[in-house]
Amino acid sequence: QSALTQPASVSGSPGQSITISCTGASSDVGTYNLVSWYQHHPGKAPKLMLYEVSKRPSGVSNRFSGSKSGNTASLTISGLQAEDEADYYCCSYAGNSCLFGTGTKVTVL
Amino acid sequence: QVQLLQSGAEVKKPGASVKVSCKASGYSFTTYYMYWVRQAPGQGLEWMGIINPSSGSTIYAQKFQGRVTMTRDTSTSAVYMELSSLRSEDTAVYYCARGSRTWYFDYWGQGTVVTVSS
Repeated sequence: QSALTQPASVSGSPGQSITISCTGASSDVGTYNLVSWYQHHPGKAPKLMLYEVSKRPSGVSNRFSGSKSGNTASLTISGLQAEDEADYYCCSYAGNSCLFGTGTKVTVL
Repeated sequence: QVQLLQSGAEVKKPGASVKVSCKASGYSFTTYYMYWVRQAPGQGLEWMGIINPSSGSTIYAQKFQGRVTMTRDTSTSAVYMELSSLRSEDTAVYYCARGSRTWYFDYWGQGTVVTVSS
């Protein structure tokens, strides 16, 4: 099983919106609504941002939203802020396994 | 509050084994699955496996089958991940993460650095 495909980097100015894609296959993203997203600042533990495609855990800003179409899931960050600069990873259930995405570095210009 | 406290950094020689611990507190230990994820230097996150603390049943990523063993001790609310036949490519930060039955990870340990070097 190969990692899910994400763009290596995405950037935006403060206040703008950006979208990170996460492309898998019919055996993972396409079949299961079990996609989660993690924010990872270097040297710290990853943080859950979204689960089951679009659900936000308590405490996560509503600036983070998720969707899915076919084999591709997406994370949108609206009203981009400096603190959003980090690496982001998607993860999809793939039948008794979990596939992570390749990771996307978000830069706030 | 939920906390996952992992054991300290390890340095191992190629061919050796390493056992990383993860002690849980602040919730009912047997109610949630525990997952293990690693990140090699400059690489992304990689899922290694899952253990059900209630039953002890495990599922391992195909890549690690035969080399990884995950166990738990319900008396101390701890889970363990042992990786054998270490090679340089196993140098990474290893995380335990509490998870649900719908395969997302809501709390993470602080990470354990494992360095494999001769």
